[in-house]
Parts: sequence; structure tokens; C-alpha cells
Amino acid sequence: NAGVTQTPKFQVLKTGQSMTLQCAQDMNHNSMYWYRQDPGMGLRLIYYSASEGTTDKGEVPNGYNVSRLNKREFSLRLESAAPSQTSVYFCASSSRGPDTQYFGPGTRLTVL
Amino acid sequence: KQEVTQIPAALSVPEGENLVLNCSFTDSAIYNLQWFRQDPGKGLTSLLLIQSSQREQTSGRLNASLDKSSGRSTLYIAASQPGDSATYLCAVPNFGNEKLTFGTGTRLTIIP
Repeated sequence: NAGVTQTPKFQVLKTGQSMTLQCAQDMNHNSMYWYRQDPGMGLRLIYYSASEGTTDKGEVPNGYNVSRLNKREFSLRLESAAPSQTSVYFCASSSRGPDTQYFGPGTRLTVL
Repeated sequence: KQEVTQIPAALSVPEGENLVLNCSFTDSAIYNLQWFRQDPGKGLTSLLLIQSSQREQTSGRLNASLDKSSGRSTLYIAASQPGDSATYLCAVPNFGNEKLTFGTGTRLTIIP
């Protein structure tokens, strides 16, 4: 099992550019999550998906969109990147919400 | 709104010592509490998940305790090793939903 995989690992964007962060899990988990991690702020939930076909906003959803393409894949899209979106982005999954979450290795995004 | 605090933000101890990391939370109506480890530049790895009905959970040299009434959890690491150097985060799910609230972590350094 690969667990949770994320692509790309690193990305540099210019302000206003768009991109999609990809996440996939092979553990047959129902729930998937996108977090951002900033120094001194800890991890903050951007969006989550409790099951295939459903998505909900987390703590910091502004400037992002998500798609739960199927049970395995959950993508995060930045339509018009801003410097404030410079962060490390983590995808996670769990069999159900309160259970242990498994994290991907992260994507380091810099917006210039 | 649930708030999770971890003090101290950083801790350095000599190899071989036993140590305790602290986590406090404001809303005691929690389903469980999780402790994670994060190595520099990496994702999070789940260490222990302690259910609200449990008082302790052990894995090897790690022991996590939970006191819901006082809003506190501790992670005890016995006979510390340089390989234990990492950032340790605790997280609690908001009762009844999918979302985890994370503390900002304690960065632990074990001095050889």
C-alpha cells in the first residue's frame, strides 16, 4: 500500500496563476481532508469530504475549491493564487471522521 | 470553538531522560484525542489514538493519558533517544463531525 500520495511535492506560482493539487489514497477510506500548515498557526482544515460525492468547508476555505473525483481521489484547486496561499499543503484520509487520519507527505507551495 | 494548546513550543532534553509533553483543550466533549509526530519536511504520522472512554494508551516507549474533565492529555516518552527528535502534535475531533482541531505542536530535541 502506498497510503496517501500527493503531487506535486514542490510548486512555485506567480500571483494570479491557477493550479490543482492532487491527492490519492489506496486504503479504501471514506473521508478525505485538505489542510494547510503555516508557521505558528498549526494545521488548519481547508475542505473535507466525508464520502464520495460530498464536500464541506473547513476553517479556511476562501480561495480554494475541491473535487472528490471518486473514493480514491480528492483534489484541491487554487483558481487565482495569492502570496497568502504560500504554505505547505497536506492531504489526509480516514475510514471515518473521528478515526486515525493518515497523512500524505505534503506539497510545498510558494506564490510570488 | 475548540482550542487546543501545547506548551512548551520547544523542548530540549539529554538522551536517556524520560519526558512529558502536554496538550490542553477547551471543550471536553471530545470523541477521542490523537497524538502525531512530524519530522522536518515530512507529513504527520499517527502515534496514538486514545478514546474518550480510555484513560491511557501505550505503544512501546510512548504512553498517552487523557483527562477529559480537566481538558488535558499528556504524552510520556520513556528513555528518550535522538531518533525521538521531531515535532509532536495533538488533535481532537469536534464532537459529532469530521473536523480535527490541532495544537501548534511541541518541537522536541534529544541531545546525544
